[in-house]
Amino acid sequence: DTEVTQTPKHLVMGMTNKKSLKCEQHMGHRAMYWYKQKAKKPPELMFVYSYEKLSINESVPSRFSPECPNSSLLNLHLHALQPEDSALYLCASSPEGQEADTQYFGPGTRLTVL
Amino acid sequence: GEDVEQSLFLSVREGDSSVINCTYTDSSSTYLYWYKQEPGAGLQLLTYIFSNMDMKQDQRLTVLLNKKDKHLSLRIADTQTGDSAIYFCAGVPTSGTYKYIFGTGTRLKVLA
Repeated sequence: DTEVTQTPKHLVMGMTNKKSLKCEQHMGHRAMYWYKQKAKKPPELMFVYSYEKLSINESVPSRFSPECPNSSLLNLHLHALQPEDSALYLCASSPEGQEADTQYFGPGTRLTVL
Repeated sequence: GEDVEQSLFLSVREGDSSVINCTYTDSSSTYLYWYKQEPGAGLQLLTYIFSNMDMKQDQRLTVLLNKKDKHLSLRIADTQTGDSAIYFCAGVPTSGTYKYIFGTGTRLKVLA
């Protein structure tokens, strides 16, 4: 099973709202990622958690706050977003060992900020 | 830094072969990947090739790697309308850093 799940599939929020995106994998992967993808562009890395610790923060604004409650779950908390934050948010995970670089992606959450 | 270029658009007729190309500036990636993205969906891992290989075949997919020319290609045999999507190549210039370098993406349109 190489499945990463994400909820919700679509999210519309106002600039004053607080919402969260959720990601889950049960493949025993120890690294999990958040990406932001704008239309017709490749994904841009936001955060990486390795063994439940934040490993990479690609200078993402503080209105995005990641959380890794356990090795299977990854959240992205959103607060005071801007319209330009509207995008597809993708979660990914990767295993240990020889294929540690191979990332498996979820279906994404389409976020619209009004 | 690493630069990965892909042609923007490719149109083929159903049943023909498609070849999607990727050129890169850094040849240190251990693995090189091909992902498919359908409209509104996530990235689906199609296949990958280890950097010491020249070719890998997986059913309708053939990956060719020319390290000397820093060129990676994905051939899809007997292309079907369901193959219409955006295809991204990706590599990891430094293994273990978690950082993919993605190509710019190629939109494949299959005409019936």
